[in-house]
Amino acid sequence: NAGVTQTPKFQVLKTGQSMTLQCAQDMNHEYMSWYRQDPGMGLRLIHYSVGAGITDQGEVPNGYNVSRSTTEDFPLRLLSAAPSQTSVYFCASSKTSGEQYFGPGTRLTVT
Amino acid sequence: AQSVSQHNHHVILSEAASLELGCNYSYGGTVNLFWYVQYPGQHLQLLLKYFSGDPLVKGIKGFEAEFIKSKFSFNLRKPSVQWSDTAEYFCAVSLEDYKLSFGAGTTVTVRA
Repeated sequence: NAGVTQTPKFQVLKTGQSMTLQCAQDMNHEYMSWYRQDPGMGLRLIHYSVGAGITDQGEVPNGYNVSRSTTEDFPLRLLSAAPSQTSVYFCASSKTSGEQYFGPGTRLTVT
Repeated sequence: AQSVSQHNHHVILSEAASLELGCNYSYGGTVNLFWYVQYPGQHLQLLLKYFSGDPLVKGIKGFEAEFIKSKFSFNLRKPSVQWSDTAEYFCAVSLEDYKLSFGAGTTVTVRA
């Protein structure tokens, strides 16, 4: 199993550009989530999904969209990038409550 | 809303010293508790978890944690650290809805 994979690993965007961060898991996990990691703030939940076709907002959803058309994939879309979205983004998946498996992360810089 | 507090932002210690990292949470109901570790340049890995039962749980790499319900705490310990334990450590709590709330993290630097 590859576990949780994320692409790209690094990305630089200009303010106003849009892009999609990809996340996929091959463990048949129902639950998937996106976090952003910023220094001194830990990880904050952006959006999550409890199954295909079901998504919900987390703690910091503004400026991001998600969809879950399949169990395996959970892309995160930045609609119009802002410097405040410079961060490291982690995708995670879980079959049961709480024990989540994390991907390697995407380091995003918005200039 | 639930919150998770980690007491130390940065801990520096020498090899063979003992480590204890504090974690407190604010929710009074049933919780699941976790410690994750992030080694430099890597993604988060689960160190240990507590769902129920024995409040003293053992994880990987010699780490253990004790759940004290009356204190809303889940402190992480290791009797003797190694240089390779240099990492950032995150306490996390989840309720029934699968969502994890993380503490701000503690950076641990172990000097050889």
